[in-house]
Amino acid sequence: AQTVTQSQPEMSVQEAETVTLSCTYDTSESDYYLFWYKQPPSRQMILVIRQEAYKQQNATENRFSVNFQKAAKSFSLKISDSQLGDAAMYFCAYRSVISSGSARQLTFGSGTQLTVLP
Amino acid sequence: KAGVTQTPRYLIKTRGQQVTLSCSPISGHRSVSWYQQTPGQGLQFLFEYFSETQRNKGNFPGRFSGRQFSNSRSEMNVSTLELGDSALYLCASSLQTENTEAFFGQGTRLTVV
Repeated sequence: AQTVTQSQPEMSVQEAETVTLSCTYDTSESDYYLFWYKQPPSRQMILVIRQEAYKQQNATENRFSVNFQKAAKSFSLKISDSQLGDAAMYFCAYRSVISSGSARQLTFGSGTQLTVLP
Repeated sequence: KAGVTQTPRYLIKTRGQQVTLSCSPISGHRSVSWYQQTPGQGLQFLFEYFSETQRNKGNFPGRFSGRQFSNSRSEMNVSTLELGDSALYLCASSLQTENTEAFFGQGTRLTVV
């Protein structure tokens, strides 16, 4: 079974600064997907960024980028130019490829609560 | 395009009762998954439905069940409620193709008293 670990329960960052959230995972699979989801106080999970394991290039979405280290099983999220609206709980998640028995099941980490200070 | 809709948003039930939660996926999405979120256990997978068939199930007791209708709407049912069932229940829908992500609803907050 896969596991996802987020070792930082809470983080804070000054507005306009950069912050990095850590995530490690354990799997015996060679192909999979990794995600960062954001959960603001409204509780709705919003996809921030996605990484396919077979791609060596790190994914980037505007101010959000990842550092994907497959050998180290590490998947960190960097938020640049932090904004007040970035304050939320951030979850790292793992998903197998669709051909496996677990199909579309997401395995989540425990989350990191990000506070953005004005 | 409407998002994933979960009803009701809030629910208060008494121990021993049963409850039914509803999820309407994004139009065209045939896969629906359910997750339970609690402060102690985090986000845990309940089950996944595709084309009215349960395709995968998490490690939850038989009191937790679900179904999916021909229009892809899904319901989950919890019988004989326990205090520990108090949680946020999230539904996610997705297309069946490989390279797509799950879209979540806003959840149903269930409180068991």
